[in-house]
Amino acid sequence: DTAVSQTPKYLVTQMGNDKSIKCEQNLGHDTMYWYKQDSKKFLKIMFSYNNKELIINETVPNRFSPKSPDKAHLNLHINSLELGDSAVYFCASSQVAGVYNEQFFGPGTRLTVL
Amino acid sequence: EDKVVQSPLSLVVHEGDTVTLNCSYEVTNFRSLLWYKQEKKAPTFLFMLTSSGIEKKSGRLSSILDKKELFSILNITATQTGDSAIYLCAVGGGGSNYKLTFGKGTLLTVNP
Repeated sequence: DTAVSQTPKYLVTQMGNDKSIKCEQNLGHDTMYWYKQDSKKFLKIMFSYNNKELIINETVPNRFSPKSPDKAHLNLHINSLELGDSAVYFCASSQVAGVYNEQFFGPGTRLTVL
Repeated sequence: EDKVVQSPLSLVVHEGDTVTLNCSYEVTNFRSLLWYKQEKKAPTFLFMLTSSGIEKKSGRLSSILDKKELFSILNITATQTGDSAIYLCAVGGGGSNYKLTFGKGTLLTVNP
């Protein structure tokens, strides 16, 4: 059974377009995260939601907007895509907020902006 | 700003060798240090360390934390080709909203 799943796995699009990535976890966790991993493999937190409430919002352009319809889902919408947005985006979840809990990662979505 | 530095950035060894990967950190309100292994896709969890001097062990992998000197090491003994991966160190801390800060990782290549 897939614990944290993301769709799509690959996304190729033109600059200026708007796109969404979806994430779902079936672990019953309260907290979900979005990370960006750039070409140098540097993994950086973008957002975190705890029970549908935004709790971490790093310095991310406001073209990125997360949405959590329920605690099992955290979607990421990106407006006006730019070349620098090309990266692998990982969704993750943990049982509760806070760093005493292991985070489980999804398989990633490779976004390529042309 | 929170900082996690891993060394070396890359390492090439032969099967059977023992390797030590390093992670040093500067984090506000340190809470935990985690090691992840990333092969082709998602990082997978290896260890979480919260106390100094207590070794965590899983098979050929072990890790220890030194909260006074602000570093951790990950040891892999009798390496196998399947150990080839990027090993990520992440430190949990921060202010009112805890978060994980990742290092850039160590790319380990184990040759037969």
